[in-house]
Amino acid sequence: QSVLTQPPSVSGAPGQRVTISCTGSSSNIGAGYDVHWYQQLPGTAPKLLIYGNSNRPSGVPDRFSGSKSGTSASLAITGLQAEDEADYYCQSYDSSLSGFWVFGGGTKLTVL
Amino acid sequence: QLQLQESGPGLVKPSETLSLTCTVSGGSISSSSYYWGWIRQPPGKGLEWIGSIYYSGSTYYNPSLKSRVTISVDTSKNQFSLKLSSVTAADTAVYYCAVRFTGYNWFDPWGQGTLVTVSS
Repeated sequence: QSVLTQPPSVSGAPGQRVTISCTGSSSNIGAGYDVHWYQQLPGTAPKLLIYGNSNRPSGVPDRFSGSKSGTSASLAITGLQAEDEADYYCQSYDSSLSGFWVFGGGTKLTVL
Repeated sequence: QLQLQESGPGLVKPSETLSLTCTVSGGSISSSSYYWGWIRQPPGKGLEWIGSIYYSGSTYYNPSLKSRVTISVDTSKNQFSLKLSSVTAADTAVYYCAVRFTGYNWFDPWGQGTLVTVSS
């Protein structure tokens, strides 16, 4: 069971907008720690997609955006493309005994 | 630009010790700018942080694995290593090495990962 909770799957048609939620607690997201997002294409290593809640590394399209509020965070993808089909993971820091750096269970995005 | 590459046996017997090495290029493992870490992913499952090490030798381990994990640095080879003892089938996973910049809490970049299967 992951410390951060994500929906197992989301889907959307090309061109649509989808969001992926990441729910934590008072010892991680709610404590003010930043949330980061990774994209994992099939058979590859995770790649940093969003850092510091809402910042995109160089090369990441502006179709991807992140936000954080309270004990939750969200990843939004607009103008959905077939190449966006992947697993997405949120990650934060936890100040309890959960393990310091914690991940969500991952969300499988299917482009219909 | 930092690049990481994992290496080690792909098959380990139950109760034995899993040993992996991560070779760093494009930067010095002795730099104060980085924390070096290990993260794993069981087949079809999510990511789990295993532990991290600073160039000084300071280590940070996941409490759920702490009793079985040792991470070390070899500055002469620009490598860091993972040892996980008393493995079981539950330790079967793709093991990634990754970098965390000092003062920041995200991991980037990651190695390509290496699958370790625990089986007799």
